[in-house]
Formats: sequence, structure tokens, C-alpha cells
Amino acid sequence: QKEVEQNSGPLSVPEGAIASLNCTYSDRVSQSFFWYRQYSGKSPELIMSIYSNGDKEDGRFTAQLNKASQYVSLLIRDSQPSDSATYLCAVSRGIKAAGNKLTFGGGTRVLVKP
Amino acid sequence: KAGVTQTPRYLIKTRGQQVTLSCSPISGHRSVSWYQQTPGQGLQFLFEYFSETQRNKGNFPGRFSGRQFSNSRSEMNVSTLELGDSALYLCASSLAETNTGELFFGEGSRLTVL
Repeated sequence: QKEVEQNSGPLSVPEGAIASLNCTYSDRVSQSFFWYRQYSGKSPELIMSIYSNGDKEDGRFTAQLNKASQYVSLLIRDSQPSDSATYLCAVSRGIKAAGNKLTFGGGTRVLVKP
Repeated sequence: KAGVTQTPRYLIKTRGQQVTLSCSPISGHRSVSWYQQTPGQGLQFLFEYFSETQRNKGNFPGRFSGRQFSNSRSEMNVSTLELGDSALYLCASSLAETNTGELFFGEGSRLTVL
């Protein structure tokens, strides 16, 4: 079992619809959770971080965290063709000893069709 | 403000050779991490340096090594190259000492081993 699991996709979404991405993690001591976006041929960039159970909204993005279920999700509202990318879920132990080490999932490829 | 700079961007080596990759972090960032990205394994953590000290190391053989200089620039070295070392090597820097998960990635060094 991988430490961080994501459906590889592709997740095909019509323009204007909501894209829903899921991520599960196995390390119960994980405390910090992140979503990175990676366009084809480019490097990952951070789009969302979440540390507490519940929802966190930032523009068209909403991250949801449920530590009891070891589950993180990302919703993209009003999806645009420019949202077509691979979305990487990443987790951190959130302790000083862990530094900035992140464990990434394999990523979900999202295709937004006009 | 300049981003994370990695050199070289592309390189081709043969089995048994060694390679050194360089990373210049964003000015003021003292944390530098290295990741290997492959289609099969995704993004895997190699190691992290902070103030010239290796803080964390991933599950890679000893052929993979790195160091950080006093100006925060970092290098990683892979000795006795194997075909499976072909990958995109990404460097990421962070301003915070720990746990923000906000990593700024360079464009990567794409290594091909023949």
C-alpha cells in the first residue's frame, strides 16, 4: 500500500462543472496536507494547504480534510480548460524533525473539456 | 525575484558514469529538498538540507548523495548510474525552517541513462 493514494484518472470534467479529487493517506501521524498542481512539462506549484479537519476555501478551490478517515479532497468549482493539469496530494508529519519533507501521491490527471 | 534554478536542464549519461546536479534556491531560502519524478513512481523524496545539514533522507541507495553550501546552493550526485536512474530530478526550496509544505520547485534536471 502506498503512503498517499490518488486515483490516477484522467478525470474528465465539462467546463463550468465541479471537479472532485480524492486522496487517502496511511500515516496516522500526518498533520499537514497540501495540493500541488503540475502542468504537463512544468514543475509542481502549491495551490492549497490544510491543517485542520473541515473545509478550507480559496477562490474556486476548496480543500476538505477528515483526519479520522485519513482522507483529503480537493474541489475545483467552475472548472476551466486552464485547470487541466495533474493534481498532486502531499502530506507531512508536521513535526520539526520532519523538516519540509513531503510525501506525494501519484497524482490525478484532470481534463476540462470546453 | 529569481526562482529556483537548476542546472543542467537536460543530460545524457551512460551506465556506470556519475552525475552532479546543481540547484540555486530562491534568495533567502535555507531549506533545499530534492525529489525524483518518474512516470511509474511519481515524486519521491531524496533528501533535504537546511543550513548545510542533511535533515532527512528518503529510501534511496547510497549512490545518491547531496550537499549544501554556505550560500544555500545545493548539489546532488548520483554515482554508478543505472538505467533506472533515468528521471526528472526536481529541487525545491522553502523559506520556512519546517512544515509549511510551501515548496518552490525548479524546472528540473532531466537525466537519461543509456
